[in-house]
Amino acid sequence: EVQLVESGGGLVQPEGSLRLSCSTSGFTFSDHYMDWVRQAPGKGLEWIGRSRNMANSYTTEYAASVKGRFTVSRDESTNSLYLQMDSLKTEDTAVYYCSRVSRSCYNDFWGQGTLVTVSS
Amino acid sequence: DIQLTQSPSFLSASVGDRVTITCRASQGISSYLAWYQQKPGKAPKLLIYVASTLQSGVPSRFSGSGSGTEFTLTISSLQPEDLATYYCQQVNSYPLTFGPGTKVDIK
Repeated sequence: EVQLVESGGGLVQPEGSLRLSCSTSGFTFSDHYMDWVRQAPGKGLEWIGRSRNMANSYTTEYAASVKGRFTVSRDESTNSLYLQMDSLKTEDTAVYYCSRVSRSCYNDFWGQGTLVTVSS
Repeated sequence: DIQLTQSPSFLSASVGDRVTITCRASQGISSYLAWYQQKPGKAPKLLIYVASTLQSGVPSRFSGSGSGTEFTLTISSLQPEDLATYYCQQVNSYPLTFGPGTKVDIK
């Protein structure tokens, strides 16, 4: 059974940093691209970043809204995905989801999400 | 960036009704489109990919069609458990983008 479990959310001050983790199981982690998607309170879904798979050298892509501030990484030894968030802004307040990307390039499994609140 | 618009933004329908949601892309995306269902307080769930392929385990009352710039999600017979917000997503090019969502309510 595919499982994705996010952790690391919480309250952080503007300009602060936070690292989110996504623990995965039930599939061959190195074979899959992985995404981070966020949802601000009462708003829609926003794709923010991707880590490609081992065959594609774990290269990354980012949305313009987070490029240069957020970094997606992964640890194959623990089947974990990470999102390092620096220079946080109040508008980064959201539920952050990690999601597995299927071989057809769609988000077929999602975690339950972790809430990040950026406020002074 | 490719912008997606959805219509309507909200709809209310009765159990058993046929419901159609439209997603339009600002430029052609071939068939690189998915539909997701998000129930209140839950993570999104993949319903349809490559515009018209039903994800495993999704009820057959859901169907998708379209290509290029115009796509539709149809629920052939609305059920109470279909109360949710529905999002389209394009995976044709980066940055990946979602539509603003269509909230479906049950009368």
